[in-house]
Amino acid sequence: QAVLTQPPSASGTPGQGVIISCSGSRSNLGNRYVYWYKQFPGMAPKFLIYANNQRPSGVPDRISGSKSGTSASLAISGLRPEDEADYYCTSWDDSLSTWVFGGGTKLTVL
Amino acid sequence: QITLKESGPTLVKPTQTLTLTCTFSGFSLTTSGLAVGWLRQPPGKAPEWLSLIYWDDDKRYSPSLKSRLTVTKDTSKNEVVLTMTNMAPVDTATYYCAHYETADHTGFDIWGQGTKVTVSS
Repeated sequence: QAVLTQPPSASGTPGQGVIISCSGSRSNLGNRYVYWYKQFPGMAPKFLIYANNQRPSGVPDRISGSKSGTSASLAISGLRPEDEADYYCTSWDDSLSTWVFGGGTKLTVL
Repeated sequence: QITLKESGPTLVKPTQTLTLTCTFSGFSLTTSGLAVGWLRQPPGKAPEWLSLIYWDDDKRYSPSLKSRLTVTKDTSKNEVVLTMTNMAPVDTATYYCAHYETADHTGFDIWGQGTKVTVSS
């Protein structure tokens, strides 16, 4: 059972937008930053969003992150086939003294 | 350009000790604010954080695995070594090392390609 809760799946058609949620608690998302990663099968996770809503260089601005209270969201607009991947949220948990991850969301571009 | 690469055995037997090496380039672990983390990902599951070793040799471990983990660094070789004792089949996973920067709260920004470890007799 993952500490952060994500929907197991999400989908959209090319050009559409999709939002992936990540729900936590006061000891993690409530007090700490959220980070998002994208992962293709058999590949290492790729850095997507840091410090709630910051994009590393190279990540397009159609990808955005937000956080409010103990919940966070990853929004992808203008879906492309290459967006089809697994997405994970993570944060530090002050009570558990560990980095915690969501169970991952498999995004399908129909 | 920062790169990291994990190396180690692909197969270990139950109760054995796993030793993994992370060899990196493009940064130095003598630089203030930097660290190298270890994470793993069992097949079909989410990543799990294992450890962090900082530039000042401060070390942090996952509480659930702390008794089994040891992390060290060799700054002259740009290497970080993780050892995990008493391996069991549930430890079968892809193990990653990652660059971690405390400044700007970037977290684990660059990961190695990972090394797959199977625990089986």
